[in-house]
Amino acid sequence: DAKTTQPNSMESNEEEPVHLPCNHSTISGTDYIHWYRQLPSQGPEYVIHGLTSNVNNRMASLAIAEDRKSSTLILHRATLRDAAVYYCILRRSIEPGTYKYIFGTGTRLKVLA
Amino acid sequence: GAVVSQHPSWVICKSGTSVKIECRSLDFQATTMFWYRQFPKQSLMLMATSNEGSKATYEQGVEKDKFLINHASLTLSTLTVTSAHPEDSSFYICSAIDRDGLYNSPLHFGNGTRLTVT
Repeated sequence: DAKTTQPNSMESNEEEPVHLPCNHSTISGTDYIHWYRQLPSQGPEYVIHGLTSNVNNRMASLAIAEDRKSSTLILHRATLRDAAVYYCILRRSIEPGTYKYIFGTGTRLKVLA
Repeated sequence: GAVVSQHPSWVICKSGTSVKIECRSLDFQATTMFWYRQFPKQSLMLMATSNEGSKATYEQGVEKDKFLINHASLTLSTLTVTSAHPEDSSFYICSAIDRDGLYNSPLHFGNGTRLTVT
């Protein structure tokens, strides 16, 4: 299975940048790197995804290492609403048109006011 | 944006009864839907992958006769927990991929169903 490794928890001060790391040393060439976050008692929410190049969207930035064995989710200015569990996932193709998304343990981000 | 509706959001049932959970994609067609289970303070565990018009693919250790999955249309998948027992109490979450964006589309998640078996 496509495994990812993340720190269990991190803390950040409000309005400061946050860098959430993820290791995925078993990544294969066609695996996409996805990030989701989950608030208590809710389904996960999509944050960002990428394949090889760094990606930016309105929520965050994704920096992907050149060898693709690690990536970093960057929240440019953390707010209290960003407190959540962040999951780094590899989307693996099982067969044409069929994918599997396996969740790792995630990082619980705490934002301090 | 793509919306996945899951119903009910919570349910309490007696041991031995069956419970059906619905997952609908409201504004897109979903060729594939996934069902996850999550215990308190743990990550999501993939239970099965459901493809429209075919049998679901279950992960190792998930009993297919206990967790019946039906994906009869491109917008609806159901999970039925049969003969539920207290150990089945958990947070069940569905997700779907937009068929039109299959190759480069994120997962869209429902808001989950909290099942309590008494």
